[in-house]
Parts: sequence; C-alpha cells; structure tokens
Amino acid sequence: AQKITQTQPGMFVQEKEAVTLDCTYDTSDPSYGLFWYKQPSSGEMIFLIYQGSYDQQNATEGRYSLNFQKARKSANLVISASQLGDSAMYFCAMTADTGRRALTFGSGTRLQVQP
Amino acid sequence: NAGVTQTPKFQVLKTGQSMTLQCAQDMNHEYMSWYRQDPGMGLRLIHYSVGAGITDQGEVPNGYNVSRSTTEDFPLRLLSAAPSQTSVYFCASRPKLTGFKGYTFGSGTRLTVV
Repeated sequence: AQKITQTQPGMFVQEKEAVTLDCTYDTSDPSYGLFWYKQPSSGEMIFLIYQGSYDQQNATEGRYSLNFQKARKSANLVISASQLGDSAMYFCAMTADTGRRALTFGSGTRLQVQP
Repeated sequence: NAGVTQTPKFQVLKTGQSMTLQCAQDMNHEYMSWYRQDPGMGLRLIHYSVGAGITDQGEVPNGYNVSRSTTEDFPLRLLSAAPSQTSVYFCASRPKLTGFKGYTFGSGTRLTVV
C-alpha cells in the first residue's frame, strides 16, 4: 500500500520569495513515481513536476523543483520567486509498479501568495 | 487531441436516483482511473482499470460500479445516489509503456445529491 502525508494544511508566502511544501511518502515498492499537482480555484488538476524513484538528480521544471530525499522518503516541492498566480491547492501524489496502477494523493496544502 | 473528456460537468441528483458519469480518452491509454474529491480534501481512488475488460476497486468503491468494454471509455455508475456521494469526480488516464509519467486528467464532474 502507498501513503502520502502532507502536514501543512495552509501556507503563506510573500510575492517573489521561495516556499517549500512538504511531502512524505510510504511504499514498499522499489520503483515508484512522485508527482506534484496544482489545483487553482477553477478546479482543474495541473501537473507540475515528476520524480522517478531511480532518478539520480532532483527534478526541475522552471520555477518548480522537487527536493527528493529517498532515504527520508520525502519529496518536497520548492517554488522559487512566488507569484500571485501560484495561490492554489497543491497535492503530492505517487504511483508504483505493483498494486493499484493509479495515483495516491495527499490531503493537500493551500498556498496563499501575498503581495 | 481532446485528451480526457468527462460528461456532464455538473449534475444534481435526488437521493436514490442512479446515473452514469462518462469518461472518454482518445490517446489509446491503457490505464484509467476514477477519483472523488470532497471539499478541502485530496483525491481518493474509487476504481481503476489496466485495460479493456479489467477493472479493480480502489480506496472508496462502495456505491459505485465500473466497466471497461473499450480502451477509450471508462464510465462510473452510481447505483443509488446518496448525499454522501456529493463530490467532484475526476477521471484520469495514462499510457502503460511510458513509465509513470503521462497522467492526463479530465476537467471533473461536480455532483450534488439532494
């Protein structure tokens, strides 16, 4: 079974500053993938970044980076230079090679960017 | 490409009514899955499918049925709607052979049961 834990229900950050959203995971599968999604108030799920369990380097996508610490089973999302449009819910998720071929989500973090 | 199409976008049901939420994808993805999202919460897996004719239960399957007669379609049936099934429903798909990446989500169906 897979489990995702997001311990920050809400976060505030000043515009142009960096922010880290925490995510820890639990799985017994040796091969798995970790994801971050953004959900704005309009409700759609927007893919941000992906990290494979065997990837040697931390994933980066523009202003998003994933701080992957495999031994600690953490996959924190770092957003650099926050923008007002970054205000949204953020979900960490994972999937694995065995068991359910679908995503397991955390409970989410609501990020509010202040001007 | 249309991606993953969910219909309807909004629906109001009375308790006890049945209905089918439609999910269709045109990307020839083998894996498809249904999730529900309750207010302020993450998405929870209802049912999933790894190919035509193959379905399995997720975390919260009670009150829902699925079938997968074609690769393209994965409908979710509510047998007898209850107020506890008021939620936003998302369908997602991904290809089997490109690793874990490549999930595509539909835009969701907002269901209210009164």
